[in-house]
Amino acid sequence: KNQVEQSPQSLIILEGKNCTLQCNYTVSPFSNLRWYKQDTGRGPVSLTIMTFSENTKSNGRYTATLDADTKQSSLHITASQLSDSASYICVVSNSNTGKLIFGQGTTLQVKP
Amino acid sequence: NAGVMQNPRHLVRRRGQEARLRCSPMKGHSHVYWYRQLPEEGLKFMVYLQKENIIDESGMPKERFSAEFPKEGPSILRIQQVVRGDSAAYFCASSPNQGRLFFGSGTQLSVL
Repeated sequence: KNQVEQSPQSLIILEGKNCTLQCNYTVSPFSNLRWYKQDTGRGPVSLTIMTFSENTKSNGRYTATLDADTKQSSLHITASQLSDSASYICVVSNSNTGKLIFGQGTTLQVKP
Repeated sequence: NAGVMQNPRHLVRRRGQEARLRCSPMKGHSHVYWYRQLPEEGLKFMVYLQKENIIDESGMPKERFSAEFPKEGPSILRIQQVVRGDSAAYFCASSPNQGRLFFGSGTQLSVL
């Protein structure tokens, strides 16, 4: 079954600290994996898109990794800022159907 | 180039009324997707449209829901005879080529 599981469900960290969010998927066949940031009351904004051949991709303080063999991805946030407080959503695309399967998201709260 | 525009931002309807949600994609984008997000849940795909055509409506409830993307004007998601369970945030996303998605800010539908 095509599923995307994210962990932890929620996370609280202090400003300036690093954190890592996890995404495991069973989507097959795999096309690409995306990480989105969704601020409260707003639409998701794309952070990274990775295809099968990409192991890591960075966007500023955000670094995503992908292990297509174990079907795992992580999103690492460096030197967190208060504005990083948001939901982070992992999305995997099925290459047969083109469908995007969304994870439930990880809610990150950065405290001063 | 304005982003994806959704209106209204908030819509309140009584049970049995009709709800119309509008989405204007980014300029040059001919692919439109609608998603629903229930409280504390992830985004769920509803329908994918290209100009004047419904490509995939596998996520749409069989009754009361319809979507269109006319040659001129915005895409419309229409919900007839709304019920309390329809209360959710409805997000529209557009893409130029089935690749990267750009999301609108969503319409929060509340059914009294």
